[in-house]
Amino acid sequence: GEEVAQTPKHLVRGEGQKAKLYCAPIKGHSYVFWYQQVLKNEFKFLISFQNENVFDETGMPKERFSAKCLPNSPCSLEIQATKLEDSAVYFCASSQGVTQQPQHFGDGTRLSIL
Amino acid sequence: AQKVTQAQTEISVVEKEDVTLDCVYETRDTTYYLFWYKQPPSGELVFLIRRNSFDEQNEISGRYSWNFQKSTSSFNFTITASQVVDSAVYFCALSERGEAGGTSYGKLTFGQGTILTVHP
Repeated sequence: GEEVAQTPKHLVRGEGQKAKLYCAPIKGHSYVFWYQQVLKNEFKFLISFQNENVFDETGMPKERFSAKCLPNSPCSLEIQATKLEDSAVYFCASSQGVTQQPQHFGDGTRLSIL
Repeated sequence: AQKVTQAQTEISVVEKEDVTLDCVYETRDTTYYLFWYKQPPSGELVFLIRRNSFDEQNEISGRYSWNFQKSTSSFNFTITASQVVDSAVYFCALSERGEAGGTSYGKLTFGQGTILTVHP
């Protein structure tokens, strides 16, 4: 499609439950990025993919976070055993190239952990 | 490590005033890319401009203009004749080529954002 599509828009989970977020990149874009925005302002990079391969995972918390981009499926970000501090807006972005081309962002998924 | 600083946390102006949003960056790479994004109250992130490190020409797009100065590591954004619809959080971001090593290749490093409020 012409836009990055993120689902769901809102996700509410109890502490300790699993959360799974989805992202369909713009058609033809090879790179997918996940970012976490907390407190409305601060962005934290989580992970990037080149097609279905992990490109950079230096921002991913090792223990509870995982992500995949499989062929012919939306990319996904999964958080196991959620904690209160996981509450944030999670943005997915896609781009044609890894640095020069701009990253186009989805509308985000607001994750609320109760 | 790369860093982006937007020192202005909040700016409040009256409609039709000009406003400049400051952005200062740090990087060891010689090839890098700078971006501005707008986040309106609805929450989405809107791409505004990209500038690469070899192109110091200023750019104007309608009421928006950008001033890139490598000598001061700044990439400032000016809105001329501001409008209420310009009210949003504006983010400056940096993407490195990765020449200086490290693990920053490709990802965007964002500044803290500047909240712009334009009053009627």
